[in-house]
Amino acid sequence: KNEVEQSPQNLTAQEGEFITINCSYSVGISALHWLQQHPGGGIVSLFMLSSGKKKHGRLIATINIQEKHSSLHITASHPRDSAVYICAVFPAGGTSYGKLTFGQGTILTVHP
Amino acid sequence: KAGVTQTPRYLIKTRGQQVTLSCSPISGHRSVSWYQQTPGQGLQFLFEYFSETQRNKGNFPGRFSGRQFSNSRSEMNVSTLELGDSALYLCASSGESIYGYTFGSGTRLTVV
Repeated sequence: KNEVEQSPQNLTAQEGEFITINCSYSVGISALHWLQQHPGGGIVSLFMLSSGKKKHGRLIATINIQEKHSSLHITASHPRDSAVYICAVFPAGGTSYGKLTFGQGTILTVHP
Repeated sequence: KAGVTQTPRYLIKTRGQQVTLSCSPISGHRSVSWYQQTPGQGLQFLFEYFSETQRNKGNFPGRFSGRQFSNSRSEMNVSTLELGDSALYLCASSGESIYGYTFGSGTRLTVV
């Protein structure tokens, strides 16, 4: 079993829909990172969080440390949101510094 | 503030050759991590350098090596290239806090 699991693996939505991507992890972490990657592109950091909730524009990320679970929400989805969304964690402990462990990614397609 | 710069962006090499990739971190960042992304294995951690010292290493063969210079720029080298080394190679840098963790655009290596 992977240390970081995302669901769903594929997600198709109509423009304007509310989208949720989930991430569960099994290790202690110092922080969790949500990343976005467009086809053929590099990786962009969306959020890094270790507690609570963060919001940026139409994107909201939440984390529940006790339940080892995080969610990424996209409100009023748009075709330009079509990308792969990746959850990654920084394992707790000094020896793991700088080492992200990644989920398998969620492929999001938003149709006009 | 300049981001993380990776060069070259694209590279085509022949099996058996070696290759060197470069990563210039954000000014002031002393930690540089390297990752490999392939369709089959997803994103995997290669190694992390901090102040010219390798602090962390992933599970890759010895053909993969790296180093970091006094100006925090990092290079990774892959010797005796194999077809399976074709991948997107990403680096990321951070300062004292992981909350500044930033990815470069990557180097896409194709081995023929």
